[in-house]
This record gives sequence, structure tokens and C-alpha cells, in this order.
Amino acid sequence: DTEVTQTPKHLVMGMTNKKSLKCEQHMGHRAMYWYKQKAKKPPELMFVYSYEKLSINESVPSRFSPECPNSSLLNLHLHALQPEDSALYLCASSQDIALPKRTQYFGPGTRLLVL
Amino acid sequence: AQKITQTQPGMFVQEKEAVTLDCTYDTSDPSYGLFWYKQPSSGEMIFLIYQGSYDQQNATEGRYSLNFQKARKSANLVISASQLGDSAMYFCAMPAGSGNTGKLIFGQGTTLQVKP
Repeated sequence: DTEVTQTPKHLVMGMTNKKSLKCEQHMGHRAMYWYKQKAKKPPELMFVYSYEKLSINESVPSRFSPECPNSSLLNLHLHALQPEDSALYLCASSQDIALPKRTQYFGPGTRLLVL
Repeated sequence: AQKITQTQPGMFVQEKEAVTLDCTYDTSDPSYGLFWYKQPSSGEMIFLIYQGSYDQQNATEGRYSLNFQKARKSANLVISASQLGDSAMYFCAMPAGSGNTGKLIFGQGTTLQVKP
């Protein structure tokens, strides 16, 4: 089973709201990722967690705050977002960050609209 | 630094025919891997196939196969017997950097439309 789940599927929020995106996997994977994707573009990496520790932050603005409560869960807390943050947010997981176990399995994504 | 290039922004193929999606890459690492993902309009990125640089044979997964030409630094995806459900955007990707960071770099993608 290579399932990664994400909630919610769609989210509309105002620039003053606080919301959270959730991601869950039960494959025993020890690496989890957040990506941002604009229409017709490739995904852009935001954060990498390895063994529940943040290992990469791709200079993401502080209005995005990741959290990894345990090895199966990954959250992305959103606060004071801008309209340009509207995008598809994808979560992914992999067995480990080392090849050849680095195949990343993605969730269905959350489509975020910031008004 | 690694680089992935997909030169076909969009392609059409007739149902039941085969189609090749191009991917070229640049890396100085002796050991690397290439991934292909499919992204339908629903948004989910679906892993299709993986090729390791030291794999002796080209990877195959059902109707998907990789035409891996190491000397030419190309890893083209071949889809045989196209189906309407193959209409999607396809991304080629490889790990970035020589360390084990988990970071992938993606090509710009190719949009494939299958005609009935």
C-alpha cells in the first residue's frame, strides 16, 4: 500500500486566517516532504523531515510552519498568507532519504486559495 | 549542479499507439537515479518508474518502460498502447546534490493528450 492522505482537499482562507494542512502515511516511511506547486509548473520543495527532524527548509517564509508530531504525521501551519501563496500543496513520503530508497510517494494534495 | 530537461511542453498521441516522452539530464555524480511521475488533472503525483544509473537493464513497469541511454544522458519514458487515462502531465526527476538530502529536482513537464 503506497497511500499518503492529505486533508483538506480544498481550502479557502483569508489573509488573516490561521489554518493547517495535514498529511498522514502508514507505510513506515521515515522521510516526509512538503511541496508547493503552481499550475503547469513542477513541484517546488519546501521542507524535508527525516526521522521526525527538519532536515531541509528551502528558505520558506515564516508564515509557513511545518510540524512533524510523529513518524506518520506531517502538518503545515499557515498564518497571514498572501494571495500569491495560492497553489496546490503536496505532501510526500519516502522510506528513507538515501538512494535507492528515495522513491517519493505523493498524496492527492490540498488546493489552497488565499483571498 | 544537476539539471533535468524536458523539451516537449505538449504532445498528442492516438489511443492504442506508443509514445515517447523525452528527458535529458546533467549530473557529475557517478551514482544517481531517474524517476518518472504522472500528474492527472486531479493533482496527485503518481510514481511510475525508477531507473538507477548502475542498473544493468532498462526499467519496465507494465506499459511503462525507460529508454535509458547513459552515454547520451537521456532517460526517455515509453508508454505502450496509450489509453485515454494516460492523458496527464508527466515529470522526470532526479535527486539533487551528491549528498543524501532527499531533495528531488524536476523537469518542466510534458503534457500528454491521448486522442480517441
